[in-house]
Amino acid sequence: EADIYQTPRYLVIGTGKKITLECSQTMGHDKMYWYQQDPGMELHLIHYSYGVNSTEKGDLSSESTVSRIRTEHFPLTLESARPSHTSQYLCASSEWDRISEQYFGPGTRLTVT
Amino acid sequence: AQSVAQPEDQVNVAEGNPLTVKCTYSVSGNPYLFWYVQYPNRGLQFLLKYITGDNLVKGSYGFEAEFNKSQTSFHLKKPSALVSDSALYFCAVRDLNQGGKLIFGQGTELSVKP
Repeated sequence: EADIYQTPRYLVIGTGKKITLECSQTMGHDKMYWYQQDPGMELHLIHYSYGVNSTEKGDLSSESTVSRIRTEHFPLTLESARPSHTSQYLCASSEWDRISEQYFGPGTRLTVT
Repeated sequence: AQSVAQPEDQVNVAEGNPLTVKCTYSVSGNPYLFWYVQYPNRGLQFLLKYITGDNLVKGSYGFEAEFNKSQTSFHLKKPSALVSDSALYFCAVRDLNQGGKLIFGQGTELSVKP
């Protein structure tokens, strides 16, 4: 079992609220990622980080932001939640080299009403 | 652009029978290929990967995958399916851009019946 954690696991929140999804890993990995999994189950990269103070946007247009102040922590924030943000959010991490697998957290299922 | 395709949305197998979940890829350069499994309300679990070398890769839970360069395929296999193998399976290729992100296939729902 990978040592990567996400909280909360489930969240139901009203439109316009600000929320932060937490992700932490204890493996000392430099690279971290956020993927969004839509109801059709496809996964799309929304943010990634090479290490502390590094954040980059992924493929999927997202109104979320991320920060990387500590190696182990990569939170994702939605300033104003909308129903279109309803989805499953998966955090992952990997070692620096290109051949390493990514380890995934259990996910946060977000519902915006 | 790199891409992965899983042509079957669902695969149904009887317990004890062999199973195959198909994956084809399109990449420039050498492919780094992965298989993941997702159980309901869980994250993705790594099964196996192909980087280089032997075309038959063995992974977790008795799964293996065969890399075929001429057919650009990386099919997941298991000699004898278990009911507990029922889950969603994703094939992925590692993109060397964007932090080495994974590009996923659409996923294949495997259902193993007793």
